[in-house]
Amino acid sequence: DAGVIQSPRHEVTEMGQEVTLRCKPISGHDYLFWYRQTMMRGLELLIYFNNNVPIDDSGMPEDRFSAKMPNASFSTLKIQPSEPRDSAVYFCASSFQVTNTEAFFGQGTRLTVV
Amino acid sequence: LAKTTQPISMDSYEGQEVNITCSHNNIATNDYITWYQQFPSQGPRFIIQGYKTKVTNEVASLFIPADRKSSTLSLPRVSLSDTAVYYCLVGSSGGYQKVTFGTGTKLQVIP
Repeated sequence: DAGVIQSPRHEVTEMGQEVTLRCKPISGHDYLFWYRQTMMRGLELLIYFNNNVPIDDSGMPEDRFSAKMPNASFSTLKIQPSEPRDSAVYFCASSFQVTNTEAFFGQGTRLTVV
Repeated sequence: LAKTTQPISMDSYEGQEVNITCSHNNIATNDYITWYQQFPSQGPRFIIQGYKTKVTNEVASLFIPADRKSSTLSLPRVSLSDTAVYYCLVGSSGGYQKVTFGTGTKLQVIP
């Protein structure tokens, strides 16, 4: 397996524009997580899914953020409208349901909102 | 999830053994202890996981005392490439689980 695949790797957009980040989890993993990492706040959990169903979205900062998982192999994180303070690295991770909490992370998407 | 506390940063010379300790006083009975490593511009990577006593793999060892209120990640003979941030996490297996990271320990290996 190629691991967790995120796209794009880098995104630069203007304030007010819609941004969509994409993630392909490892095949067979039941859990998918979206994280945001900044220097100030570290690595924050935004939302996670189990079997494509959102379980906990308490980390989503505002209504401008939304996440979907239409099937087991694809998830999106959308920001609309984007703001400069959304600039961060966004990571997607996936894991198995049972036995442990090991999560496999993608390479991340570096988002810059100007 | 149990809260964890670990040093913000550590320095070590190349070739030395490095021990990073994490405190998790309110760890639950079914919680596991997991360590991740993160290099700049990369996502975190799983290093090791344990429940009690000692666990060793090709990368590191994890020491967990009987009361499980702390754990120590041991990196033998570190090299410059071990410079990274190391995160300690505590969480239960199975069921609805999520991986939440603390502040981590930034390890700087010095030549």
